[in-house]
Amino acid sequence: DIQMTQSPSSISVSLGDRFTITCRASQDIGNYLSWYQQKPEKSPKLMIYRATNLEDGVPSRFSGSRSGSDFSLTINSLESEDTGIYFCLQHKQYPLTFGSGTKLEIK
Amino acid sequence: EVQLVESGGGLVQPGRSMKLSCAASGFTFSNYGMAWVRQAPTKGLEWVATISFDGSSTYYRDSVKGRFTISRDNAKSTLYLQMNSLRSEDTATYYCIRLAMMVLDYWGQGVMVTVSS
Repeated sequence: DIQMTQSPSSISVSLGDRFTITCRASQDIGNYLSWYQQKPEKSPKLMIYRATNLEDGVPSRFSGSRSGSDFSLTINSLESEDTGIYFCLQHKQYPLTFGSGTKLEIK
Repeated sequence: EVQLVESGGGLVQPGRSMKLSCAASGFTFSNYGMAWVRQAPTKGLEWVATISFDGSSTYYRDSVKGRFTISRDNAKSTLYLQMNSLRSEDTATYYCIRLAMMVLDYWGQGVMVTVSS
């Protein structure tokens, strides 16, 4: 199975700051990686697909990038509505596997 | 608007069965693969099963193989998950999800399954 190592597990960021979450894949997954945001008591919402593509309706302050087996989700100029838990998912091969999640809070 | 509405969850004893349903609307159901993903209380997300757009191909995680069956009725725009021989570790919120070119794009609100005596 492909392991997705996500970091950090939690982070506290000030409004207006920029921050980055990273997922590292244990095998080559190409660009088959998505990022999701989950709010409390809500289902996950797709933010980025195929590593770098912004889902329709997602603010442009969100972006995704790839460097080899390392994938990053960056939020420029954090807003209060960005709090939640962020997960990565590889969909290169079965079983699909998720990162362990990053809890983002406002400082 | 894409809508996925799960139903059929609740409390079930270990070893018993339960069937989840997911009613889809707002898109042409028969054109999309579908999946189930679960999330145990205060835990991360775990993929459970996937079915192709026409039901001809199915995929399962090892821990549910032989116990769970994913199926669909395209005439009714409904996805199912038959769960047999349930275990306490199957306790989770189960999400129904649409697949767009292998991307899990739309998620239902989830349905809770509790396996306990």
